[in-house]
Amino acid sequence: DTAVSQTPKYLVTQMGNDKSIKCEQNLGHDTMYWYKQDSKKFLKIMFSYNNKELIINETVPNRFSPKSPDKAHLNLHINSLELGDSAVYFCASSHLDRGSGGYTFGSGTRLTVV
Amino acid sequence: AQTVTQSQPEMSVQEAETVTLSCTYDTSESDYYLFWYKQPPSRQMILVIRQEAYKQQNATENRFSVNFQKAAKSFSLKISDSQLGDAAMYFCAYKGGNEKLTFGTGTRLTIIP
Repeated sequence: DTAVSQTPKYLVTQMGNDKSIKCEQNLGHDTMYWYKQDSKKFLKIMFSYNNKELIINETVPNRFSPKSPDKAHLNLHINSLELGDSAVYFCASSHLDRGSGGYTFGSGTRLTVV
Repeated sequence: AQTVTQSQPEMSVQEAETVTLSCTYDTSESDYYLFWYKQPPSRQMILVIRQEAYKQQNATENRFSVNFQKAAKSFSLKISDSQLGDAAMYFCAYKGGNEKLTFGTGTRLTIIP
């Protein structure tokens, strides 16, 4: 049973295309996140949703749009892909206000823009 | 804004020996949480150990332990009896009142057989 699952695991696409990454968690968590890991392995938060409500929105280009149809799902849609969008994108989930609880991460989606 | 600093981009240790990975952080909050995550080549992010700032006692999980120095804002990870499977990137992370998990830049740990 995968706790946080992302699809696809790998995505290769051309510049200018629009693509989506899907994420689902079966842990009963109320909060989900998207992180971007660049080529130097640095992890930076992009968005967070709590019970379908956007609570964290870092400085991310408008081409990135998260969507949360319910608290178990958080998808990431990217318009007009650019070379610099190439990275590994991680979905994660947690219980908000559960103090010491860390995040549970998905296995990541490696996006390559050519 | 909170920052997390890992000053060792790479570390190596002989198998069965002990290694310590360093982490410092900057915050004005008094209540927060600290974590170490491991990222092996499979790229899965795995929680290794966590520490609540209000607890004086250092957290321990089997071969993994931390040295938490709140006044110095230091949170180092000690791995005892290093094993080949410990080879990975290790990330220190901070979570404060805004619930956002902020990561350091990581330390790549190599285990020498």
